[in-house]
Amino acid sequence: SYVLTQPPSVSVAPGQTARIPCGGNNIRRKNVHWYQQMPGQPPALVVYDDGDQPSGIRERFSGSKSGNTATLIITTVGAGDEADYYCQVWDGINEHCVFGPGTKVTVL
Amino acid sequence: QVRLVESGGAVVPPGRSLRLTCAASGLTFSAYGMHWVRQAPGKGLDWVAFISSNGDDKYYSDSLKGRFTISRDNAKKTLHLQMNSLTTEDTAVYYCVQGPIHGKWLDSWGLGTLVTVFS
Repeated sequence: SYVLTQPPSVSVAPGQTARIPCGGNNIRRKNVHWYQQMPGQPPALVVYDDGDQPSGIRERFSGSKSGNTATLIITTVGAGDEADYYCQVWDGINEHCVFGPGTKVTVL
Repeated sequence: QVRLVESGGAVVPPGRSLRLTCAASGLTFSAYGMHWVRQAPGKGLDWVAFISSNGDDKYYSDSLKGRFTISRDNAKKTLHLQMNSLTTEDTAVYYCVQGPIHGKWLDSWGLGTLVTVFS
């Protein structure tokens, strides 16, 4: 089955840009989606189809892909961005939804 | 505004069964595929199952080994998850999630219902 990898944590200074990687075999051939989960809350979609933002999501959230890695990019990071972030793809061969293990973003 | 409200979570011993329900409002329920996703305490997201808008297609996580069944009632705007032979590893918050009409992301999430299987 398809596997996604993420680093357990990423730290970033306030006002800087956070980059959260998500690795997967041939991930460039898949649409990657990203979720933010604040403590005690359900996840919320922040980026879909690699880099599109749902309505109501600020343009500070974007995505990119290169090689076997997709990246969630959060610009001008603030304390309110501290959360867990998960990448997700659909494994069309097995018809399964696959999540990465999640990355905890800490604002220094 | 989409609202998904899960219910049915409980504390049960291993081997028991539970049926979760998700009541949907604020959307044309019959137009959307729906998912169940769970999250064990302090752990990451674990996809459980998907059902297509008309209920014809159902997909399950391999780890469930046939113990769970997803179903829906479009007339009542409800989604269900029948869980049998529960083990301690099934302890988690279970989220009901709406998929888009076209696409494979998970759009709107409920607040979840907690299932605790104690030994």
